[in-house]
Amino acid sequence: AQKVTQAQTEISVVEKEDVTLDCVYETRDTTYYLFWYKQPPSGELVFLIRRNSFDEQNEISGRYSWNFQKSTSSFNFTITASQVVDSAVYFCALREGARGSTLGRLYFGRGTQLTVWP
Amino acid sequence: DADVTQTPRNRITKTGKRIMLECSQTKGHDRMYWYRQDPGLGLRLIYYSFDVKDINKGEISDGYSVSRQAQAKFSLSLESAIPNQTALYFCATSDFSGPTGELFFGEGSRLTVL
Repeated sequence: AQKVTQAQTEISVVEKEDVTLDCVYETRDTTYYLFWYKQPPSGELVFLIRRNSFDEQNEISGRYSWNFQKSTSSFNFTITASQVVDSAVYFCALREGARGSTLGRLYFGRGTQLTVWP
Repeated sequence: DADVTQTPRNRITKTGKRIMLECSQTKGHDRMYWYRQDPGLGLRLIYYSFDVKDINKGEISDGYSVSRQAQAKFSLSLESAIPNQTALYFCATSDFSGPTGELFFGEGSRLTVL
């Protein structure tokens, strides 16, 4: 079973619309970290955010916000007033284990292709 | 200059050829990783190394081998390339003991096997 599920393969919106990218994870660890990465058409992977399992406070960074809910094992990502430059593939990822553990690998979801039309 | 550098960035080769993708980093991290990206499949871990003497298989290691020549260098080899190894390959590093723990990625190596 996948540890990270991004059920939305592709999303298309028109500029200025709000859009939410879903991420559901699975782990038995009590300590874990969740990440979002952006991959624009140029191909590089850009780190967006990290959240640890003990911090359920939602975070806002400009037009980006993240909603972490342990009760539903979800870590959703919302872009407000989307722009064409937001067009990219977005990956959610999970890292299990406490700091120093050998279990340091990142498990990635399959990604969501977001297209923002002008 | 990039902190994580991959060479070559693009390579076209033929079935049966041996290919090496190289990765070097200036971040001083102990942990290095090779991931493969295929459309619709996300990133899948091929191999990872937590230090020079430690090499571990990931989810899809068959057909690949690695070498950790130094703390800063981690190379991925395809001994006999096949077409279904056509993909975008990423090297990454992390400082697990650090406060952030995220992976820092290279710019990717696009490999095409004909």
